[in-house]
Amino acid sequence: GAVVSQHPSRVICKSGTSVKIECRSLDFQATTMFWYRQFPKQSLMLMATSNEGSKATYEQGVEKDKFLINHASLTLSTLTVTSAHPEDSSFYICSARDPRGWQETQYFGPGTRLLVL
Amino acid sequence: KQEVTQIPAALSVPEGENLVLNCSFTDSAIYNLQWFRQDPGKGLTSLLLIQSSQREQTSGRLNASLDKSSGRSTLYIAASQPGDSATYLCAVRPEGFQGGSEKLVFGKGTKLTVNP
Repeated sequence: GAVVSQHPSRVICKSGTSVKIECRSLDFQATTMFWYRQFPKQSLMLMATSNEGSKATYEQGVEKDKFLINHASLTLSTLTVTSAHPEDSSFYICSARDPRGWQETQYFGPGTRLLVL
Repeated sequence: KQEVTQIPAALSVPEGENLVLNCSFTDSAIYNLQWFRQDPGKGLTSLLLIQSSQREQTSGRLNASLDKSSGRSTLYIAASQPGDSATYLCAVRPEGFQGGSEKLVFGKGTKLTVNP
């Protein structure tokens, strides 16, 4: 299956700093990528849909000025958590939609564990 | 609003046992349903995808069924092995304009432990 990578896999930062997470589709071009957040023992919750060359679409309740998304190329989307606080500590997972094939399957990255102290 | 529920939240079985994981969803207007596996601290691996027009899909020891009208899906694992230990997530893709919507709605998962 298609491969999606994320970097870093784990990050610890101080409160008030900004953290950037990268999501890459390694063997296909993804016009659409998705960012999810998962708190312990909770479902994955979609935060935003990232579209190449245009502004991201945010889900209700997600602050677009806090979670900056950039999708500058067909293989890379970035999520920047600005002025991170301890409540932002979570597991962030991206996925990329593979346009090849009729099912348009989403492939998920390995996730990034963020801990804000 | 689509909601996905998975029962049980956790399951522990001895090696070799056959088992069933359950998933229910509140809105039957779905495009497809997908079962994923998530290992601790890791991303998601897609196991099976069932289109709304299909009743079941099989892959190796895994069989997933879909009853769209009743809002239910099951994942059957035959002859379970310790390596099957993981959290299993069910996700539905709602119907959307000209196909499926982009958004996947996930359940909280069932944490499976297979004991040697």
